[in-house]
Amino acid sequence: DVKVTQSSRYLVKRTGEKVFLECVQDMDHENMFWYRQDPGLGLRLIYFSYDVKMKEKGDIPEGYSVSREKKERFSLILESASTNQTSMYLCASSPRGGVVLNTIYFGEGSWLTVV
Amino acid sequence: AQTVTQSQPEMSVQEAETVTLSCTYDTSENNYYLFWYKQPPSRQMILVIRQEAYKQQNATENRFSVNFQKAAKSFSLKISDSQLGDTAMYFCAFMRSGGGADGLTFGKGTHLIIQP
Repeated sequence: DVKVTQSSRYLVKRTGEKVFLECVQDMDHENMFWYRQDPGLGLRLIYFSYDVKMKEKGDIPEGYSVSREKKERFSLILESASTNQTSMYLCASSPRGGVVLNTIYFGEGSWLTVV
Repeated sequence: AQTVTQSQPEMSVQEAETVTLSCTYDTSENNYYLFWYKQPPSRQMILVIRQEAYKQQNATENRFSVNFQKAAKSFSLKISDSQLGDTAMYFCAFMRSGGGADGLTFGKGTHLIIQP
């Protein structure tokens, strides 16, 4: 089974702190994603990466950055956390290409509270 | 850009009833994939069913089936013989063909409650 692991399930950080959310997948997937989930807004794409060191902005990249130094790991960085970044963050990965393979696998989510 | 609309924020039905969740989408693409994901209270996203746009036949997975109307850009999910464990958030999602590198576009979700 594909496993996408988010190392921190629950975090509480102070305004202005630098926050790292880590995600690791074990299936050699090329594509990795960070989503943010808020009530009534569904899931919104923050950043995605289709290869090592490659990154693309999603729909709501402001206030976030990402790092992908190794294929299996995709980090989301909040340079200076703010209270409006309190949310649940979901990491996902998928293999590249192929009709059968177009499926995305999700981690269990990281709940971030910024106080 | 694609958009996905789920017009029912919340639905409630009795156990064993059949329920249909609505989803419409907008795209200029001709080839794409549509998904329904279930998110129970554990927050783990679970793939319920997938439909390839080039296939006319509606996808079915046990009690779950879809009504895919490509011309109308509609993709509804029918759950038959609903069970208490079906209580969850349900998200409709769209993916462009060509590798999926830019991920899924989600609707805002429908909270489905199955009453005993």
